[in-house]
Amino acid sequence: ETGVTQTPRHLVMGMTNKKSLKCEQHLGHNAMYWYKQSAKKPLELMFVYNFKEQTENNSVPSRFSPECPNSSHLFLHLHTLQPEDSALYLCASSQASLNTEAFFGQGTRLTVV
Amino acid sequence: GENVEQHPSTLSVQEGDSAVIKCTYSDSASNYFPWYKQELGKRPQLIIDIRSNVGEKKDQRIAVTLNKTAKHFSLHITETQPEDSAVYFCAAKGNEKLTFGTGTRLTIIP
Repeated sequence: ETGVTQTPRHLVMGMTNKKSLKCEQHLGHNAMYWYKQSAKKPLELMFVYNFKEQTENNSVPSRFSPECPNSSHLFLHLHTLQPEDSALYLCASSQASLNTEAFFGQGTRLTVV
Repeated sequence: GENVEQHPSTLSVQEGDSAVIKCTYSDSASNYFPWYKQELGKRPQLIIDIRSNVGEKKDQRIAVTLNKTAKHFSLHITETQPEDSAVYFCAAKGNEKLTFGTGTRLTIIP
């Protein structure tokens, strides 16, 4: 365990569904990230939050909506997804402004049908 | 923004031989360069990192070199073993954003 927990581990959803992915870290970090991992782009940065403020939106479609209510929790709200959004979604956390590693969660394997 | 390129995308080496993976980055402000290993079905995990004030760092069979002038850094694995088979990612951190390379699938041939 790295101290970063993601739920659910697996998710199957239809294109008209609304679901949310959750990430929680117990490391006292103040930066959290969402990455998308697929065969096409192995580790693609989606969003960055520093001190609960979004500092990066890497041209992600609006059907993905992040939320960071506090430094320990990060959500990714999903609605009207497409089959090509099927991927492994990885959450990570780190200490912002320090040159230290990012710790990853186990990921949520998302399948859009 | 930062752009990290990684080569090769796949690499097969005989057990006991050395493996080298190379990365380049574009943002001269980047100052932290970690390497992650991702085994099948598992999360990426840090194996070694280097900061911009250091040119080389070694940890047992793993070493990383950094050339800030040329903006490239490399991972060296010596005396490879079957358990080294995995996908390896380089990354560069600047402006508090961690950008990853596209990964190298390393296969160790027994």
